[in-house]
Amino acid sequence: GAVVSQHPSRVICKSGTSVKIECRSLDFQATTMFWYRQFPKQSLMLMATSNEGSKATYEQGVEKDKFLINHASLTLSTLTVTSAHPEDSSFYICSARDQMDRGNSPLHFGNGTRLTVT
Amino acid sequence: LAKTTQPISMDSYEGQEVNITCSHNNIATNDYITWYQQFPSQGPRFIIQGYKTKVTNEVASLFIPADRKSSTLSLPRVSLSDTAVYYCLVGDMFSARQLTFGSGTQLTVLP
Repeated sequence: GAVVSQHPSRVICKSGTSVKIECRSLDFQATTMFWYRQFPKQSLMLMATSNEGSKATYEQGVEKDKFLINHASLTLSTLTVTSAHPEDSSFYICSARDQMDRGNSPLHFGNGTRLTVT
Repeated sequence: LAKTTQPISMDSYEGQEVNITCSHNNIATNDYITWYQQFPSQGPRFIIQGYKTKVTNEVASLFIPADRKSSTLSLPRVSLSDTAVYYCLVGDMFSARQLTFGSGTQLTVLP
């Protein structure tokens, strides 16, 4: 089955530094990937839609200069949290869909990245 | 995007059948209904998807009435390892529209 891999699974960084999270589709190509953020005991909140070869589309309230998204290939999207602060500590999850699917195939999710900013 | 409503939490005992219902009154013609399971500190895992009537796979069944304004996920003979949050999503995945996660249902299976 389709696999989405996220790396790293957890990261701890100091306030003011930047952190890059990778999302890879291992056995399929994805022109579109989605990035979510999830706080404890809450649901997933869509942050942005990552489009291969073009700019990402950000949801209202998400700072595009703080959460930099790059989708340079059909199998890789990266999310960089710039100048991280403790309030950015959260669980970040990506998802993707096989672009070759013709029907309503479901999204495939990565296993998430736990970011802790100290 | 169709909004979904689910119970916040449910308790069950091992070996019982669990039914979780999701309301989606403004579902669109092209929308599919998809259920995901999420364990703590993991990404959501696909369970089942359907458009109408009944769908069954090796882990669950999905019942969708004719008006499609609701759906019921049925988990047969749950075990402790089925304790998780279950999300119902409604949307048109073919057009890659974003899907909105609702609050989900925390299912707790007791021994």
